[in-house]
Amino acid sequence: SQKIEQNSEALNIQEGKTATLTCNYTNYSPAYLQWYRQDPGRGPVFLLLIRENEKEKRKERLKVTFDTTLKQSLFHITASQPADSATYLCALASMDTGRRALTFGSGTRLQVQP
Amino acid sequence: DGGITQSPKYLFRKEGQNVTLSCEQNLNHDAMYWYRQDPGQGLRLIYYSQIVNDFQKGDIAEGYSVSREKKESFPLTVTSAQKNPTAFYLCASSPSPGQGHQPQHFGDGTRLSIL
Repeated sequence: SQKIEQNSEALNIQEGKTATLTCNYTNYSPAYLQWYRQDPGRGPVFLLLIRENEKEKRKERLKVTFDTTLKQSLFHITASQPADSATYLCALASMDTGRRALTFGSGTRLQVQP
Repeated sequence: DGGITQSPKYLFRKEGQNVTLSCEQNLNHDAMYWYRQDPGQGLRLIYYSQIVNDFQKGDIAEGYSVSREKKESFPLTVTSAQKNPTAFYLCASSPSPGQGHQPQHFGDGTRLSIL
């Protein structure tokens, strides 16, 4: 069956360090992968999108990698700040299902300590 | 400012009662979506609509119904057939019903609880 896995344990890091979050998937051939940030009690907010033929995408302090061989995406936040504390969700869009909607992972909570 | 408005923010349902969650967008987006989020879990797709007067079931459509009579509006009804409705409900939209090459814009959710 198709699965998207994100680390369910919270990631705790010190301010200024780089946070790395992982998104693994099985039985998908995603054409696109997206990352979202979700704060408690709020809706997710889009951060970055990467295509299957792109290895890496950057936006300010954020970097996403996409390895279709390993079936994995890594999400990096450099020079992390306490304001980066949130839950981060990955989402896949697959061309081989007819469904025109994203499938989301369960998210990883990031806590940046001052 | 353009965006998605969900109301109410909190909703309580009595046993055997149907309740309707509102979702309105002024982004001029064609596609709209409803998700359910349970504590510690990801978003699960309930229904989605690619265009007015059309909608498709998602992964967990049983016990829910939707309508899409206007481009701006995509209300979700939680029927009495949904035996475990307590959850955080999120509505989203995207410009067109693509295959994931466009980001989704989310509202701030409705938290539904059973009385």
